[in-house]
Amino acid sequence: EAGVAQSPRYKIIEKRQSVAFWCNPISGHATLYWYQQILGQGPKLLIQFQNNGVVDDSQLPKDRFSAERLKGVDSTLKIQPAKLEDSAVYLCASSFRTDYGYTFGSGTRLTVV
Amino acid sequence: KNEVEQSPQNLTAQEGEFITINCSYSVGISALHWLQQHPGGGIVSLFMLSSGKKKHGRLIATINIQEKHSSLHITASHPRDSAVYICASIIRGPSNTGKLIFGQGTTLQVKP
Repeated sequence: EAGVAQSPRYKIIEKRQSVAFWCNPISGHATLYWYQQILGQGPKLLIQFQNNGVVDDSQLPKDRFSAERLKGVDSTLKIQPAKLEDSAVYLCASSFRTDYGYTFGSGTRLTVV
Repeated sequence: KNEVEQSPQNLTAQEGEFITINCSYSVGISALHWLQQHPGGGIVSLFMLSSGKKKHGRLIATINIQEKHSSLHITASHPRDSAVYICASIIRGPSNTGKLIFGQGTTLQVKP
């Protein structure tokens, strides 16, 4: 089966600019996660979708971050405006059910200068 | 709060050595993942365990539910095994959303 696809692979932007990341999960996976991993730290959950509904977005900085999963398939994560501390790898993952194994995408490495 | 603790944090081995990475957690879990992360960010799921033992190639993962402990073993280590290995748990219970609680990772370097 195809894996979780993410794009772009790398992105460099200036602070205060906006950026968007895209994720295409494995077909049939109802649960989709966005994680933020700052260099040297473990991943932090930003938002979890079950189909096209939000299950957990408690750690999403909603003043600048937004995410959507239209039609319960692809998802986009947007940052507007970006700050220097948003420099991180943004990981998308999906699973068939919450008690099933995860499949991670390759991640998008964002550098804010 | 579920804490996931890994040891060691850093590990250097010679090619061919047998490697063990340990993971302990503090509350009941429904499953535990072992993940591998190479420089560049991508994460690969190696195993998901809820009991017993799993083997894939040179990798073996075990879990002891009563002791709240899991180990990842690498036999006949190779330089290409150099990566960060992360254990992550899914908490058991009615509020289980599948969210992973990550350990801090073990950075492994295998020298030729």
